[in-house]
Amino acid sequence: DGGITQSPKYLFRKEGQNVTLSCEQNLNHDAMYWYRQDPGQGLRLIYYSQIVNDFQKGDIAEGYSVSREKKESFPLTVTSAQKNPTAFYLCASISGAEGANVLTFGAGSRLTVL
Amino acid sequence: AQTVTQSQPEMSVQEAETVTLSCTYDTSESDYYLFWYKQPPSRQMILVIRQEAYKQQNATENRFSVNFQKAAKSFSLKISDSQLGDAAMYFCAYRGTIAGTASKLTFGTGTRLQVTL
Repeated sequence: DGGITQSPKYLFRKEGQNVTLSCEQNLNHDAMYWYRQDPGQGLRLIYYSQIVNDFQKGDIAEGYSVSREKKESFPLTVTSAQKNPTAFYLCASISGAEGANVLTFGAGSRLTVL
Repeated sequence: AQTVTQSQPEMSVQEAETVTLSCTYDTSESDYYLFWYKQPPSRQMILVIRQEAYKQQNATENRFSVNFQKAAKSFSLKISDSQLGDAAMYFCAYRGTIAGTASKLTFGTGTRLQVTL
């Protein structure tokens, strides 16, 4: 079945360490997204990419980096510059940048900083 | 910038009853899309229903329907015959159609729905 795979599901990090969250999709979708979810704040956009080798900052990009070297992959690196990285991270994709195409989400990754 | 507001952090409904979740949004665009997503305890985001702004008819999906009031910029979700499996966080989301807004969804802060026996 087609879908989005996020890994790891749970991740623990020490302060000062960079960590990379994986997001892979086999839906042949063009656009991919990373959202951060905190209690009471809904989903906030970190980065998005509409095509390979191109990506744009979302609303809360500081302390994060991404790459889009392959259509099916959009990894997110949480750097040591991110001051409060403990959160639930959701990756999503969509078949086109226009229209009412529905965002498909992965199951999420929970990052905890110790 | 587009904003989405959900003013009810928590709601409760008895099984088999009807509940309405509120959502308002702010935009200067005339054409756009609105969505309701459900996030159960598994945290998997699931699309419940969507509405195109150019359509006057309210969208319906089985027990779920919306009341779309374009002039008031209101997009409420009605759940009829509530079931225990409806217990979840519900997010309202907006997607525009012009450059910059068409590429991403903006979400509200969510409403946690509890279903009681």
